[in-house]
Amino acid sequence: DIQMTQSPSSLSASVGDRVTITCRASQGISNYLAWFQQKPGKAPKSLIYAASSLQSGVPSKFSGSGSGTDFTLTINNLQPEDFASYYCQQYNSYPYTFGQGTKLEIK
Amino acid sequence: QLQLQESGPGLVNPSETLSLTCTVSGASISSTTHYWGWVRQPPGEGLEWIGIIYYTGDTYYNPSLESRVTISLDMSKNQFSLRLTSVTAADTAMYYCASVRLGEGFDYWGQGILVTVSS
Repeated sequence: DIQMTQSPSSLSASVGDRVTITCRASQGISNYLAWFQQKPGKAPKSLIYAASSLQSGVPSKFSGSGSGTDFTLTINNLQPEDFASYYCQQYNSYPYTFGQGTKLEIK
Repeated sequence: QLQLQESGPGLVNPSETLSLTCTVSGASISSTTHYWGWVRQPPGEGLEWIGIIYYTGDTYYNPSLESRVTISLDMSKNQFSLRLTSVTAADTAMYYCASVRLGEGFDYWGQGILVTVSS
């Protein structure tokens, strides 16, 4: 199985900040990488696919980059509704695997 | 817009079988552009991929669950289902169904259903 490692596991930031979350795959996955946002008690929401493509309706404050083994999710101009948990997932090979998650909290 | 809704019992006895159904609206499960899948999340933990199915009936399962899991399609009802046998407390989780667009990964998710394994 491909292991996905996110860092940091938790992150404190202020409204208006820009934050970056990283995701590393244990082997190359090309650009088959997705990012999800999950708020407490809610289902995950798909943000980004193919490492850098925004899902329909996702604001451009979210951006993704990377290829191979190293990927990043950047969120600009943090707003209260952005404080949530974020997960990466590889879909290059079965079983699809998720990172352990990054909890973004208000400072 | 594609929508998914999970249904099934919220409480299952240990050693019995967990059975959930996902009803899809806004798209046909016979579509060639999507797979249909299940993901679970134990309370306070991260996401675990269970498996997916294509309209052809081809399935791909997480090896950690493969001996106990079956995903199937019901074309007549536009539904797909999850069966997990011999459940234990470790299978207590929120279960989500989701659509998987070819080349793009998960795009739409159901709201989830909490299944507790307890006597």
